[in-house]
Amino acid sequence: AQRVTQPEKLLSVFKGAPVELKCNYSYSGSPELFWYVQYSRQRLQLLLRHISRESIKGFTADLNKGETSFHLKKPFAQEEDSAMYYCALLSGANSKLTFGKGITLSVRP
Amino acid sequence: DTGVSQDPRHKITKRGQNVTFRCDPISEHNRLYWYRQTLGQGPEFLTYFQNEAQLEKSRLLSDRFSAERPKGSFSTLEIQRTEQGDSAMYLCASSPLTNEQFFGPGTRLTVL
Repeated sequence: AQRVTQPEKLLSVFKGAPVELKCNYSYSGSPELFWYVQYSRQRLQLLLRHISRESIKGFTADLNKGETSFHLKKPFAQEEDSAMYYCALLSGANSKLTFGKGITLSVRP
Repeated sequence: DTGVSQDPRHKITKRGQNVTFRCDPISEHNRLYWYRQTLGQGPEFLTYFQNEAQLEKSRLLSDRFSAERPKGSFSTLEIQRTEQGDSAMYLCASSPLTNEQFFGPGTRLTVL
């Protein structure tokens, strides 16, 4: 069965500091991974997906199949990055998502 | 069309009562998903529709839960004989064929 692990619940950094949000997965097939973000009082929204290989709002994430990881990184955090971040794995013929428990990122001024 | 909508946004009910939630997906999205999220957890998959056909149900979906998507448009999720353990945020998402899922704001259910 597929599994997504986000080992930390909270990351608190100062503005301008680097950020790395960890995500590890377990899946027997070819993984398709996503990071979703939920800002305060807003709905869950897609931040980025590994197949796009894009940088969104300064965030990047590289799929490492050897380490089964998909860590989210940003070199210089901004206060507006404060939010809940979820790593998710797409699986099965019906493309359902399996989410990690999420991590709260708090960026202090 | 500004995105996936869900109604109601909040529902408080007494144990044993039936509740029904509605989801209106983005127009022309043929895929529709229901997820449940409890405190401190990420969303968990409940069920999936492709057009009007319910193609997958999670083991989380007990016999008290039923979902429909008549005519392949909006969907409803009904919980019969609610229990306190049903208290959660119920999320709906729709998707075109690109695998990106667009989420609604959720319905927060509180069972007293």
